[in-house]
Amino acid sequence: GESVGLHLPTLSVQEGDNSIINCAYSNSASDYFIWYKQESGKGPQFIIDIRSNMDKRQGQRVTVLLNKTVKHLSLQIAATQPGDSAVYFCAENNAGNNRKLIWGLGTSLAVNP
Amino acid sequence: DTEVTQTPKHLVMGMTNKKSLKCEQHMGHRAMYWYKQKAKKPPELMFVYSYEKLSINESVPSRFSPECPNSSLLNLHLHALQPEDSALYLCASSQGLAQETQYFGPGTRLLVL
Repeated sequence: GESVGLHLPTLSVQEGDNSIINCAYSNSASDYFIWYKQESGKGPQFIIDIRSNMDKRQGQRVTVLLNKTVKHLSLQIAATQPGDSAVYFCAENNAGNNRKLIWGLGTSLAVNP
Repeated sequence: DTEVTQTPKHLVMGMTNKKSLKCEQHMGHRAMYWYKQKAKKPPELMFVYSYEKLSINESVPSRFSPECPNSSLLNLHLHALQPEDSALYLCASSQGLAQETQYFGPGTRLLVL
């Protein structure tokens, strides 16, 4: 399943499928990008980050892709599990903004068993 | 240990009450943050402390008063709040302002009656 964060805030996938959550960022000067996962009733949990000198970074079951040409960031989750159900936020950051995080609106991921 | 702790987990207060939220981290981080989060929205930055000094105040009303007693502790004093201040209050910390990865606590769910 795939979503564009700004236009489809909810993504529903079957357990075991791969998920793709997309994020369009605003500032071409942003040089650091982070994905957070927030489960209901909890604080945001750091998942993975990427700097602007890279276009791909992999973690455990997650991959972040960065396309600076079109200012697009995506989070891929392999073999999605029920425990992946949460709201996913992308955030961008740059030195010109006092290093304050600029957050995306979030995408809600629902995993169907 | 990448844990940020917050107390209390839940707080109900009247508009004339004075209460405090507490945050603690033992990661040796020198930057600490307060955020406010409304339902289905990303976190909004309120305050940033760097090396125990207030670095950023995002034009927060004076009924919210932050305090950083030492490098591990961050408080948020609340007085004469309004019902619209009801939200999830999140604390975060990072190694420094230049180290962008912020680690979040579980939050305090505040209800103002």
